[in-house]
Amino acid sequence: DAGITQSPRHKVTETGTPVTLRCHQTENHRYMYWYRQDPGHGLRLIHYSYGVKDTDKGEVSDGYSVSRSKTEDFLLTLESATSSQTSVYFCAISESSRYETQYFGPGTRLLVL
Amino acid sequence: AQKVTQAQTEISVVEKEDVTLDCVYETRDTTYYLFWYKQPPSGELVFLIRRNSFDEQNEISGRYSWNFQKSTSSFNFTITASQVVDSAVYFCALRPSGTYKYIFGTGTRLKVLA
Repeated sequence: DAGITQSPRHKVTETGTPVTLRCHQTENHRYMYWYRQDPGHGLRLIHYSYGVKDTDKGEVSDGYSVSRSKTEDFLLTLESATSSQTSVYFCAISESSRYETQYFGPGTRLLVL
Repeated sequence: AQKVTQAQTEISVVEKEDVTLDCVYETRDTTYYLFWYKQPPSGELVFLIRRNSFDEQNEISGRYSWNFQKSTSSFNFTITASQVVDSAVYFCALRPSGTYKYIFGTGTRLKVLA
């Protein structure tokens, strides 16, 4: 299994509160991704990173920001959490774009009240 | 438009039955990759297979097999002699060449009853 951890694994927060989720990898992979999973939508890409300090938006990036200051860490921040951001968040990594297979972390379940 | 359709929302079978999960994709690219992932009740996403658009050979891995047909834009997944441990949500995904982005289907929930 790819060495990917996510923290926290579960979080309950209140509307309007900033929240940061962390993804940590031990594989030294270049590419990292944040997805959210919601019933009826599958997985949708929020943001991704193709290197340290290199990030770009996915299809559902509004209300989210990311940072990557080290290869191993990719942070997802909900600037002001809303109930619509209640979801399960998955981090994924891949080694290179050419042979890319994304491997996923265990997920973070977030509830915004 | 690029899209993945998994029309079967939920399938229930009795143990030892064979079951096929359908995946239909849309892309204008000639080079792309297709994937299947399994999400068991524990919630993690497990990679099962990757197939590129130039390789239409079917793949068999134990009780699992995959049928890739470019003519019908389909990448179907068959489980032979299903077992209760196969109960999970299965996702099909498309990655067009030249992009980092995966496009996931909405998943098919498979219930295998003892």
